[in-house]
Amino acid sequence: GAVVSQHPSWVICKSGTSVKIECRSLDFQATTMFWYRQFPKQSLMLMATSNEGSKATYEQGVEKDKFLINHASLTLSTLTVTSAHPEDSSFYICSARGTVFDQPQHFGDGTRLSIL
Amino acid sequence: AQSVTQLGSHVSVSEGALVLLRCNYSSSVPPYLFWYVQYPNQGLQLLLKYTTGATLVKGINGFEAEFKKSETSFHLTKPSAHMSDAAEYFCAVSSKAAGNKLTFGGGTRVLVKP
Repeated sequence: GAVVSQHPSWVICKSGTSVKIECRSLDFQATTMFWYRQFPKQSLMLMATSNEGSKATYEQGVEKDKFLINHASLTLSTLTVTSAHPEDSSFYICSARGTVFDQPQHFGDGTRLSIL
Repeated sequence: AQSVTQLGSHVSVSEGALVLLRCNYSSSVPPYLFWYVQYPNQGLQLLLKYTTGATLVKGINGFEAEFKKSETSFHLTKPSAHMSDAAEYFCAVSSKAAGNKLTFGGGTRVLVKP
């Protein structure tokens, strides 16, 4: 149980395009979803927290107009990287937590984004 | 504020030997503590967690960790390493006061030698 699916797993696109990444909880309802960014050989950095039906809360230093997050249902959150540039290239990982507050987060398999 | 320090960015162990990964945390409120494992180009898989109750926590794949409040530690151990244990391991802390947001340590890469 507690499976989180993230799509796509890899994406390569040209500079200036926008890229959408989906995060789905397959067998549970996710009240809260989290988006992380991970640089090579580094730890995960929390970008934002999204609660179903509410606006996302962004961490300090994360541009909300660059990284648009939508959490329209209890099973789906999306991250859109707008007007992507090479410096946005990274590994993006989502996680989801169920309706009980102290449940652990369950992670997707990540999306490798490469901007040319 | 909460933080996590993992001592040793790389650990090398022989197959069959003890695996010990060190994690110290800082939290002004009772912490929730987690160990996650990450294989290349994949997300994180939960190994074990401590929220309340018994301080010795057993997880998947033969791993266990002990919460020691007096030492602010949550070290991860496995009695006998397997080749499949080669991966990156992350210790993380959260709390109700932090909205259950996870703060990760820097990670420890485990290499298992045959």
